[in-house]
Amino acid sequence: AQSVSQHNHHVILSEAASLELGCNYSYGGTVNLFWYVQYPGQHLQLLLKYFSGDPLVKGIKGFEAEFIKSKFSFNLRKPSVQWSDTAEYFCAVTGSGNTGKLIFGQGTTLQVKP
Amino acid sequence: KAGVTQTPRYLIKTRGQQVTLSCSPISGHRSVSWYQQTPGQGLQFLFEYFSETQRNKGNFPGRFSGRQFSNSRSEMNVSTLELGDSALYLCASSVTVLSEQFFGPGTRLTVL
Repeated sequence: AQSVSQHNHHVILSEAASLELGCNYSYGGTVNLFWYVQYPGQHLQLLLKYFSGDPLVKGIKGFEAEFIKSKFSFNLRKPSVQWSDTAEYFCAVTGSGNTGKLIFGQGTTLQVKP
Repeated sequence: KAGVTQTPRYLIKTRGQQVTLSCSPISGHRSVSWYQQTPGQGLQFLFEYFSETQRNKGNFPGRFSGRQFSNSRSEMNVSTLELGDSALYLCASSVTVLSEQFFGPGTRLTVL
C-alpha cells in the first residue's frame, strides 16, 4: 500500500531561518505530489504541486519543493521563514490508478518564533 | 469564485445517532472527495465521487456512506455513531478526478 512519511513532527525555527521539511513516499509508479498547509483556524490550502516536468517546483509564499525520483522524496524548502509561516504542513501523494485519492503524511507542525 | 462550502460547521451528537454532512463544491468542479482528520490518525481518505459515481472508497466501516448529486453537491452519512467518529470531516473538490483538490473548512463532529 502507498504511504507517505514526513520526517519531522514538530519544528521550531526563528524568523529568517531556512526551512526544509522532509517527505518520502512509497510507490514506484507515476505519482503526483503535493504540499498542503493548514494555518491555525483555517482550512487546508495547496502550497505547491508536482505532476510532471521540472522536478523543482515553486509554490506560493516563497515555498519550493524538489522531486527526487531516485530517493522517493519531495522535500519542502523556504530560504527564510516568517512568523506567519507558523502552521501545519502536509505532504500528500496520489498514484496507483485513475484516482485522485490523496494519501497524506502525518503532518509537520512548524512554529516560527519572532 | 466561491470556495468549497460545508454545512454544518459544527455538530454534536450522541453515540448511536446518525449524522449527515453536506458539501458544495466549487462551481464547475465535478469531483468531490471526503477525508477524516483526527489527531491520532491524521488525514484519511473516505470517498471519491465523480459524476454521481463513487470511484473509490477508503478503509472505513460500512457505517460511513456517501453520495453525489447531479449538481455535484455531495453528502456523507455516518450511522450508529461511535465516540471514535469524533473528527474534522473535510470535503475537497476538483475539476476532474486527477486535478488538484481544493478543501473546504470542514465539519467538526463531536460524539458524546
